[in-house]
Amino acid sequence: EPEVTQTPSHQVTQMGQEVILRCVPISNHLYFYWYRQILGQKVEFLVSFYNNEISEKSEIFDDQFSVERPDGSNFTLKIRSTKLEDSAMYFCASTYYEQYFGPGTRLTVT
Amino acid sequence: AQSVTQLDSHVSVSEGTPVLLRCNYSSSYSPSLFWYVQHPNKGLQLLLKYTSAATLVKGINGFEAEFKKSETSFHLTKPSAHMSDAAEYFCVVSNSQGGKLIFGQGTELSVKP
Repeated sequence: EPEVTQTPSHQVTQMGQEVILRCVPISNHLYFYWYRQILGQKVEFLVSFYNNEISEKSEIFDDQFSVERPDGSNFTLKIRSTKLEDSAMYFCASTYYEQYFGPGTRLTVT
Repeated sequence: AQSVTQLDSHVSVSEGTPVLLRCNYSSSYSPSLFWYVQHPNKGLQLLLKYTSAATLVKGINGFEAEFKKSETSFHLTKPSAHMSDAAEYFCVVSNSQGGKLIFGQGTELSVKP
């Protein structure tokens, strides 16, 4: 069964550093998303991407965040200058009719 | 604006007894509703979805949910709990295909032997 994959599974970085989280969505899906889950809190929507552009973003998704689909398969989330409060599990999802989630990348900012 | 409220942060049942996880939603549109499950250190797995067809929705692993518009509820049930059902369950709403998902706070289900 096709699945969404994410790399790395765990990323540790220092405050102020740039990180790129990578996702490979399911190949025939049209919409792509990033969500995050801070430890002990609910899952929050960050951004959706369709037809090679952002279709919707949340208040969390400020100028420090960007997304890109650099080729036909990868979908990336970049955080330019990480803060301690960016520590969270980041989930990628893709959809044709319903959203399928990847296993997540745990980002730890020290 | 859309939202979901999961009425219990933690539910504990004995193995073999029924499970009820409660969810109320708020939506200006005819919503799509979902239940996702998250096992420890795992990703989010879709259990079932409601998209304006049958109001009683059957999902994987014996779970089902009933959409009640008059009560704005979408409670998740299972007749007999299994130890492997212990996990975090999220009620989720969306207003359109391709639209963002809005998650509830989650309900942690514990299953006692």
